[in-house]
Amino acid sequence: NAGVTQTPKFQVLKTGQSMTLQCAQDMNHEYMSWYRQDPGMGLRLIHYSVGAGITDQGEVPNGYNVSRSTTEDFPLRLLSAAPSQTSVYFCASRFTGWWNTGELFFGEGSRLTVL
Amino acid sequence: TQLLEQSPQFLSIQEGENLTVYCNSSSVFSSLQWYRQEPGEGPVLLVTVVTGGEVKKLKRLTFQFGDARKDSSLHITAAQPGDTGLYLCAGDYGNNRLAFGKGNQVVVIP
Repeated sequence: NAGVTQTPKFQVLKTGQSMTLQCAQDMNHEYMSWYRQDPGMGLRLIHYSVGAGITDQGEVPNGYNVSRSTTEDFPLRLLSAAPSQTSVYFCASRFTGWWNTGELFFGEGSRLTVL
Repeated sequence: TQLLEQSPQFLSIQEGENLTVYCNSSSVFSSLQWYRQEPGEGPVLLVTVVTGGEVKKLKRLTFQFGDARKDSSLHITAAQPGDTGLYLCAGDYGNNRLAFGKGNQVVVIP
């Protein structure tokens, strides 16, 4: 019962480096999203996707890119990391059928530190 | 701007006491959810409320959705150490977006 799987769990980057956070789900969910969680700020939506080939910006998209080539995978790319991107990142997915009231299934998180 | 305001931000109580935390907004939501998050893990859904005035119970947890669908409360009866965690409310405001509050950190002391 894998659910939502995120890798890596921990990562340290230097300013200016690039990296990709991986997210995969095995529940055949059309909707996938990325949030960041910072102390005192709660969870903030970065990008989301309602299906393969479709992505859209959330509340805090600057500095991040996403793509959705398959239903299962939704990677988050940092092209040039900045210290302000130090955070815990969560990937989440859900069904989008007419009966769905939006329950999100979260991964365990990826803790990123940018020096 | 924060769509959802949660209060109190931090609450510490003794085992066996009751507590209530709140989630308020000036916006109307089609549904509102409560999640619990433990350290090092992702949030896990506790309940979804959809109808104004709705009350749902989950063992010792009672969730209420305001009549105008702008606010919600979570009441825990006879709190136990296992109830310790960060409680997050989230509102569905359309366009496939779910907005989260900053959370209520609850600590239950044995």
